[in-house]
Amino acid sequence: QSVLTQPPSVSGAPGQRVTISCTGSSSNIGAHYDVHWYQQLPGTAPKLLLYGNNNRPSGVPDRFSGSRSGSSASLAITGLQAEDESDYYCQSYDISLNGWVFGGGTKLTVL
Amino acid sequence: VQLVESGGGLVQPGRSLRLSCTVSAFNSGDYGLSWVRQAPGKGLEWVAFIKTKSLGGTTEYAPSVKGRFTLSSDDSESIAYLQMNSLKTEDTAIYYCTAVSPHLGFDFWGQGTLVTVSS
Repeated sequence: QSVLTQPPSVSGAPGQRVTISCTGSSSNIGAHYDVHWYQQLPGTAPKLLLYGNNNRPSGVPDRFSGSRSGSSASLAITGLQAEDESDYYCQSYDISLNGWVFGGGTKLTVL
Repeated sequence: VQLVESGGGLVQPGRSLRLSCTVSAFNSGDYGLSWVRQAPGKGLEWVAFIKTKSLGGTTEYAPSVKGRFTLSSDDSESIAYLQMNSLKTEDTAIYYCTAVSPHLGFDFWGQGTLVTVSS
């Protein structure tokens, strides 16, 4: 069981907007540690998608955005495209574990 | 920044294995290196972290591997080693080496190396 909780799956039609939630606790997200998001395409290594809650590395489309409130965070993807079909993971630092924690991952299906 | 893992393979339970991560260069904002693993069909799990020597070279471990795994680096910090002892079947996973930035998270990843623990 992951320290950060994500829905196992979400889906949406091309062009639609989807959101993926990430729920933590007072020892990680609630302790104001940054949330980062990773995208893992099938058979490949994870790639940094968003850092510092809502910042996009160079090359990531502005269709991807993030937010954080209290002990939770969310990833929003607008204008869904077929190539967005992937697994998405949230991550934060946990002060009680003295280490990083991941969400269990969410599989996005583009219908 | 390029990270290349090596050393994976098939090993029996209770035995040891050492993984290597060759680092081309650290990003200016990176302050260490971590290993993250992914069991077959499962999610990501952080395993271990080592700070750069300029920041003290300290290490941290996930509870699941503490006391069994040791992370170190050579003097030039161009290679990081993950020594894995007393391996268990549940250690079976793809092991990724990642660069760590305090502000960017795990900003660069290697391609991973597969470790299979089985008799």
